[in-house]
Amino acid sequence: DAKTTQPPSMDCAEGRAANLPCNHSTISGNEYVYWYRQIHSQGPQYIIHGLKNNETNEMASLIITEDRKSSTLILPHATLRDTAVYYCIVRVPFRKNYGGSQGNLIFGKGTKLSVKP
Amino acid sequence: EPEVTQTPSHQVTQMGQEVILRCVPISNHLYFYWYRQILGQKVEFLVSFYNNEISEKSEIFDDQFSVERPDGSNFTLKIRSTKLEDSAMYFCATRTEYTDTQYFGPGTRLTVL
Repeated sequence: DAKTTQPPSMDCAEGRAANLPCNHSTISGNEYVYWYRQIHSQGPQYIIHGLKNNETNEMASLIITEDRKSSTLILPHATLRDTAVYYCIVRVPFRKNYGGSQGNLIFGKGTKLSVKP
Repeated sequence: EPEVTQTPSHQVTQMGQEVILRCVPISNHLYFYWYRQILGQKVEFLVSFYNNEISEKSEIFDDQFSVERPDGSNFTLKIRSTKLEDSAMYFCATRTEYTDTQYFGPGTRLTVL
């Protein structure tokens, strides 16, 4: 799996957009970008993933650069409950009939996002 | 929304004792994982399990660890003879065979004295 680089920490004001960057310059063509987060002492929570097109769901938006060497997770209106460690993970998705890795996640140190009132 | 559940939430044990951590996967999920997180450190993969057998395991998952699905619902992680360095949060995760998204449980905090 490609290596990712994230800033260790970021602050964001409540109600503002939180933009969390991730560099993955060695990403290969079949690797997706996944984002998970971990609120203090809880289990990691899936947020969003994408290959090359921008993606949006009810939690966040994912912007992937055209060369796919970096991406940004956007929380459009951060709340205090969004305070968490955010992990960017790059990997080939598991496909049942292709075998290989069963999809275990390799977590880095992530970005600790602090949303402040 | 269905959730992965884990019991107990906190387990305290003496060094050398056996512990069993339990996970109830989301119904219709067929892939199961255990991860651990030592305090202040990264979440680390331990083992994946599918079709009643281990699919992959990390170097952490040595002979002291075992997993099973004893009754078709619970998914368990057993540590045979606990060591001080086994103290950590242990997370179970599950997913369906159709999606790559893993759903994590709330974790079991294991404290070895």
